[in-house]
Amino acid sequence: GNSVTQMEGPVTLSEEAFLTINCTYTATGYPSLFWYVQYPGEGLQLLLKATKADDKGSNKGFEATYRKETTSFHLEKGSVQVSDSAVYFCALYGGATNKLIFGTGTLLAVQP
Amino acid sequence: KAGVTQTPRYLIKTRGQQVTLSCSPISGHRSVSWYQQTPGQGLQFLFEYFSETQRNKGNFPGRFSGRQFSNSRSEMNVSTLELGDSALYLCASSLDPLAGGYNEQFFGPGTRLTVL
Repeated sequence: GNSVTQMEGPVTLSEEAFLTINCTYTATGYPSLFWYVQYPGEGLQLLLKATKADDKGSNKGFEATYRKETTSFHLEKGSVQVSDSAVYFCALYGGATNKLIFGTGTLLAVQP
Repeated sequence: KAGVTQTPRYLIKTRGQQVTLSCSPISGHRSVSWYQQTPGQGLQFLFEYFSETQRNKGNFPGRFSGRQFSNSRSEMNVSTLELGDSALYLCASSLDPLAGGYNEQFFGPGTRLTVL
């Protein structure tokens, strides 16, 4: 079945550092891929998405490119801020059901 | 437009009790999905309702059930609570599933259930 694997956290960075959070997936067909962010005490917010191979999703300085050849969707940001501290979830949607399949989440802690 | 609301935000119950959680979707959204979030299992899909019908179900025991009303509001019920049911329960709404492509799911803040 479909699954998502993302790097374990926590990831601790200093402000203005470069961020990469790895995500790979297993899926039949051509799933859509997403990054969600969860701030403390809140629900999930969609950060960015890509619906087909080679699409690049971007939002708030974050980017991720849908790589079908490596089945990956790594999240990157050139310069993180303290306000980016949160848990990041990679997810996929595919098939005939309205169901998101999530990775385990990666806690990002950005220090001033 | 108001977002997805969930009530209550926090609940404390004891083993063996039952609990009902409520979710009000964004106005106009007809699909409501429920997810369970725990530190050990992460985010897991419980079920999805559309037009008062359960359309999809995750791999949870029958103690977990839900329903949807004609105004698209949804409730989920957990009977005979176990310690392992302690979790954040998230509700998400979307416009019209399976209408071609992905319909973004908008999440509520969740209900934190603690079972003692």
